[in-house]
Amino acid sequence: SQQGEEDPQALSIQEGENATMNCSYKTSINNLQWYRQNSGRGLVHLILIRSNEREKHSGRLRVTLDTSKKSSSLLITASRAADTASYFCATDNFGNEKLTFGTGTRLTIIP
Amino acid sequence: EPEVTQTPSHQVTQMGQEVILRCVPISNHLYFYWYRQILGQKVEFLVSFYNNEISEKSEIFDDQFSVERPDGSNFTLKIRSTKLEDSAMYFCASTGGWDQPQHFGDGTRLSIL
Repeated sequence: SQQGEEDPQALSIQEGENATMNCSYKTSINNLQWYRQNSGRGLVHLILIRSNEREKHSGRLRVTLDTSKKSSSLLITASRAADTASYFCATDNFGNEKLTFGTGTRLTIIP
Repeated sequence: EPEVTQTPSHQVTQMGQEVILRCVPISNHLYFYWYRQILGQKVEFLVSFYNNEISEKSEIFDDQFSVERPDGSNFTLKIRSTKLEDSAMYFCASTGGWDQPQHFGDGTRLSIL
């Protein structure tokens, strides 16, 4: 798999349910970031988690990082219609701050 | 909240022409980036810029491309002699440090005819 691959590629859930998206990467990382992109729009930063952190929260968002498995997950609780978007993970390496993006998960919240 | 701004939002250009995409990064940020996203594909890194020089560039960023920070606020991407395959959304990003989030603009959609 390529650096930064999310699964599932697409996810549809009912409003109010929780949504979980996963990201896997291949090489060692410094930070992992999650972004949201509404159709045709820019990338909105959600959370940054460092390689020495295991879990981080921000509002309805919870991100976990397992460096031994080279994977991360993004949990959105109590989903809302406005959460409908594509979600990307992006990694950077020590000494190299460029971001390598995953393929994204297209999340659809059904009202 | 401060944000990265990009202009224009949409640029249509004839193949072979030059385009300049403009970005105003967040004012106290030090690191600047250009990425692009071809329709339906991943966001790809193009170039990073720090201390008035390129710090890294990808294989995509060949002699056709150049970046400049002409003054204290603007950061531009110039594409010379555009090709059809340059059609994409181009994103500018900035950050205050290597361990801080990169903040993205809304992008410029470049269409080459």
